[in-house]
This record gives sequence, structure tokens and C-alpha cells, in this order.
Amino acid sequence: GAGVSQSPRYKVAKRGQDVALRCDPISGHVSLFWYQQALGQGPEFLTYFQNEAQLDKSGLPSDRFFAERPEGSVSTLKIQRTQQEDSAVYLCASSFHWLQGWDYGYTFGSGTRLTVV
Amino acid sequence: ELKVEQNPLFLSMQEGKNYTIYCNYSTTSDRLYWYRQDPGKSLESLFVLLSNGAVKQEGRLMASLDTKARLSTLHITAAVHDLSATYFCAVNNYGQNFVFGPGTRLSVLP
Repeated sequence: GAGVSQSPRYKVAKRGQDVALRCDPISGHVSLFWYQQALGQGPEFLTYFQNEAQLDKSGLPSDRFFAERPEGSVSTLKIQRTQQEDSAVYLCASSFHWLQGWDYGYTFGSGTRLTVV
Repeated sequence: ELKVEQNPLFLSMQEGKNYTIYCNYSTTSDRLYWYRQDPGKSLESLFVLLSNGAVKQEGRLMASLDTKARLSTLHITAAVHDLSATYFCAVNNYGQNFVFGPGTRLSVLP
């Protein structure tokens, strides 16, 4: 596709519910990131994939958060037993190669706004 | 732990005026990024600054980097309404881990 696509655009979950957020990176993009952006804050790093390999998951806030990218393209961020503090916009970013992003910046999706009630 | 600060956090300015946004970071890093975000939209990459003394310009925006002072500036010249947005700086922490600043919300008034 022309850009990084994220779905759903909005998600309302009841506390305790599991959610799955999807990211479709630009075709052929090797590097993929997930960020969490709370209201009025800057994005915070969650995890990074290079192809299907999850090379850094140091930003995942708890073991309720899990990300996968089994075929090296689409990625899913799963949050189990959602809590109110999980309410945020979840952003996905990608680049053709880590070096391209390194030198030119990354392409971000529009995000999924998660509201936990 | 790398910390990134921006100031001001909110900036309201009149069209035609000049202003500077500052980004300070706490530990050594070899590159710094500036992004723009419109409300409800994704982040758009503006500049990547790769070395001490780097300066890049695009239209009315100019970014610079002083790695010794751990400071980057984003200078706005003769602001126009279209520049209204939130501007973030982001600093490489390690590997592919980046730390973003809190953002500067800019409003350009007619």
C-alpha cells in the first residue's frame, strides 16, 4: 500500500477485555516499530521487529502486552486483560531497511486510539 | 536513562513572526529527528540530523544540532497558519530504540 495502515482506527474495550491491534507496513518494509502515545505526550517505544524477528521488546510495559510479526509483514499488538492505563494511541512505524529509517526517518501510521472503559 | 525535553510545550505565535523550539537530551546520541504531527494524524518526518553542527532547512523550518551541548533547535521563520501542529524531537537511545520529547504544540494565529 501507499502508507502504513493500522486497524481498527478506534477501539473501545471494557476493562479486562483482550484486544488485538493490526499494522500493515508498506510492502517490503523490513523494520517495524510499535509506539504508545498517551494523550498530550510524545510516543514511547514499545517494540521493534526486523522481518519476523523481534529484536527489542524492552518497552512493553507488562507481560499483558505481546507483539508478533510471524511472516515478516503484518504485525499484531495484543493486549490482554486491558486496564484503564492502557488507554492511548498505538502507533506503528516502518522503513524499507533499518538504514533507510536511520538516515531518513520512519513512516508512521495514523494509529489506533484505544479507550478502556 | 535517556531523557528528552522540549520547550516551550505550548507556543502561540502570530503569522509572520519568528520563533525557536528547543530540544535538550540527557545522554550522548549520534542522531536526532524532528517530526510533525497534525491532530488525529500520523507523524511526518521533517529532519534527520546526523552530526554535530548539522543544519537542515525546508521552507520556513530550519533545524540544527549541537551534540556537545546536547541541544537541537527548530527555527520557524515568518510563520504561517499551515505550520500549526505539534512538533516532536526524537533521539536515538541505542540500537533502534528512540526516545521522543513531549512535543511542542504550535498555534499560528492570523
